[in-house]
Amino acid sequence: GQQVMQIPQYQHVQEGEDFTTYCNSSTTLSNIQWYKQRPGGHPVFLIQLVKSGEVKKQKRLTFQFGEAKKNSSLHITATQTTDVGTYFCAGRSRAGGTSYGKLTFGQGTILTVHP
Amino acid sequence: ETGVTQTPRHLVMGMTNKKSLKCEQHLGHNAMYWYKQSAKKPLELMFVYSLEERVENNSVPSRFSPECPNSSHLFLHLHTLQPEDSALYLCASSQARGTYYEQYFGPGTRLTVT
Repeated sequence: GQQVMQIPQYQHVQEGEDFTTYCNSSTTLSNIQWYKQRPGGHPVFLIQLVKSGEVKKQKRLTFQFGEAKKNSSLHITATQTTDVGTYFCAGRSRAGGTSYGKLTFGQGTILTVHP
Repeated sequence: ETGVTQTPRHLVMGMTNKKSLKCEQHLGHNAMYWYKQSAKKPLELMFVYSLEERVENNSVPSRFSPECPNSSHLFLHLHTLQPEDSALYLCASSQARGTYYEQYFGPGTRLTVT
């Protein structure tokens, strides 16, 4: 079945440093979504990428979808303590075609930001 | 955020107990999901209901039994669980809008099986 690998598993940064997490799928994706889960919280949707090579920005966050639609990355510029949490990518297979979104989640990257 | 609510928030149960988890979405969505989140595993999709019909069952043991009486409510009935079933159980909902299927998660039920 479809597998989505995410690295690194953990990342510790000093406040102000940049952070990147990478996501790779074993199959071509229809789209990819990113979620953030704060400590003790639940996953919250951040963004969805659909087009090959797509790049989207949300303030200090930059999301990219690979040309082959099999990989993606999330980059945070100048991290802040509010960025702490686990970042998940979630891929939707091209084999879909359903009226619902069956997602395969990566393992997540746990980000710690030291002030 | 109160779009998706879950009760109870915490549950401790013995291996011989029967309990149910409840999820309610107030977003008018047409699909609902149960996920299991363990400490060392990614989010695992358990069940999907689309338009109140179960469309996915990802090889989940029969000791977990879902129920979707209407598009706003989802239950997960539990019986004779094992200690390895201890985890955070998350409910989510979504509404298809073209190619967009973002999922909205509830706060989860932290389950401990003793």
